[in-house]
Amino acid sequence: EIVLTQSPATLSLSPGERATLSCRASQSVSSYLAWYQQKPGQAPRLLIYDASNRATGIPARFSGSGSGTDFTLTISSLEPEDFAVYYCQQRSNWPPVFTFGPGTKVDIK
Amino acid sequence: QVQLQESGPGLVKPSETLSLTCTVSGGSISSYYWSWIRQPPGKGLEWIGYIYYSGSTNYNPSLKSRVTISVDTSKNQFSLKLSSVTAADTAVYYCAKEYVDTAMVPRGWFDPWGQGTLVTVSS
Repeated sequence: EIVLTQSPATLSLSPGERATLSCRASQSVSSYLAWYQQKPGQAPRLLIYDASNRATGIPARFSGSGSGTDFTLTISSLEPEDFAVYYCQQRSNWPPVFTFGPGTKVDIK
Repeated sequence: QVQLQESGPGLVKPSETLSLTCTVSGGSISSYYWSWIRQPPGKGLEWIGYIYYSGSTNYNPSLKSRVTISVDTSKNQFSLKLSSVTAADTAVYYCAKEYVDTAMVPRGWFDPWGQGTLVTVSS
């Protein structure tokens, strides 16, 4: 089973600052990695798929990069609505099992 | 656009079976993969399993012995049954659609999600 590790667990930043979130896989997932944003009381929202493609309607300040085992989600300039928890997720080829990382909470400094 | 809505009891007794249904609106359930995902209060996300519209399934190995997912294409619904529940199964349960590309190949990410429903296991 592929295990995803996210760091840091919590990121305390101010609006306007740059956020850099990391996701590491225990073995290569190629580029089959997605990122989600979750706000309290809401379902996760897809931000990035295939490691670097923004989902429909996602602002350009969100970007993803990486391949293999190391991935990064960058928020170029934090807006007030960006303070939330972010999860990475992958699907292994066979057996097709989906796993999520433990999440990174971005909170207001 | 496709929307998903979970429904079912919010309280289940220990050792009983949790049953939830996801209703798909705004599109057909056919030709797609549909998953259940859960999130214990204050914790992370755990994939439970998926079903293809044809009825084929795949489950998280950690839950496989207790999970059954079924589909009713005539009602545009799919359902989750989780048996022998304990307090550890208390969670918000989400249904979600796995994206497939134009060649109908599943791509491994979920969009959209239902709003989620809290199920509490307690006597």
